[in-house]
Amino acid sequence: KNEVEQSPQNLTAQEGEFITINCSYSVGISALHWLQQHPGGGIVSLFMLSSGKKKHGRLIATINIQEKHSSLHITASHPRDSAVYICAASYNTDKLIFGTGTRLQVFP
Amino acid sequence: DTGVSQNPRHKITKRGQNVTFRCDPISEHNRLYWYRQTLGQGPEFLTYFQNEAQLEKSRLLSDRFSAERPKGSFSTLEIQRTEQGDSAMYLCASGLGRDTSSPLHFGNGTRLTVT
Repeated sequence: KNEVEQSPQNLTAQEGEFITINCSYSVGISALHWLQQHPGGGIVSLFMLSSGKKKHGRLIATINIQEKHSSLHITASHPRDSAVYICAASYNTDKLIFGTGTRLQVFP
Repeated sequence: DTGVSQNPRHKITKRGQNVTFRCDPISEHNRLYWYRQTLGQGPEFLTYFQNEAQLEKSRLLSDRFSAERPKGSFSTLEIQRTEQGDSAMYLCASGLGRDTSSPLHFGNGTRLTVT
């Protein structure tokens, strides 16, 4: 069974803190996506990666294929980073399997 | 590029009524997906189109659900005889290429409330 698990489910932080969200998947994948969902529903694709590390601004995504694990890091967090962060795995099929999301709240 | 557009944004209907949602993908995107998301959960796959062909349909989709993409452009998702359990956010996403190892672009969703 293909599964994607995220932790933590909920995360609160003070502005400026370093944030890490973790994602584990059960079997081999072709790509791992990190997505951001704001209240109201809109989902934005942050990263898609199949190996190594990607960086965009204050966001960094890493993946360890051997350990079947990916992390999303946010440096110098800001209240506008508050959102639900979702990882999703592509298993060489035409659909993504989503995790349940991590709800992040960053307080000033 | 106007992004993926979904209409309506919100729909409130009474149990037993039929509803139809529309998704307009990014114009050159050949792949189109429908997902359903309930509160506190990640999106669940419903169905997938490659151009006008519906290639996969989740077992979550009962016979009351039907989706079309007649010309390989916009898509509609119809729910017949709605039930309270159908209340959810219905998300559409589109992508370019052969499979999901390329980024998907999501619409803002249609929130359905069945009373």
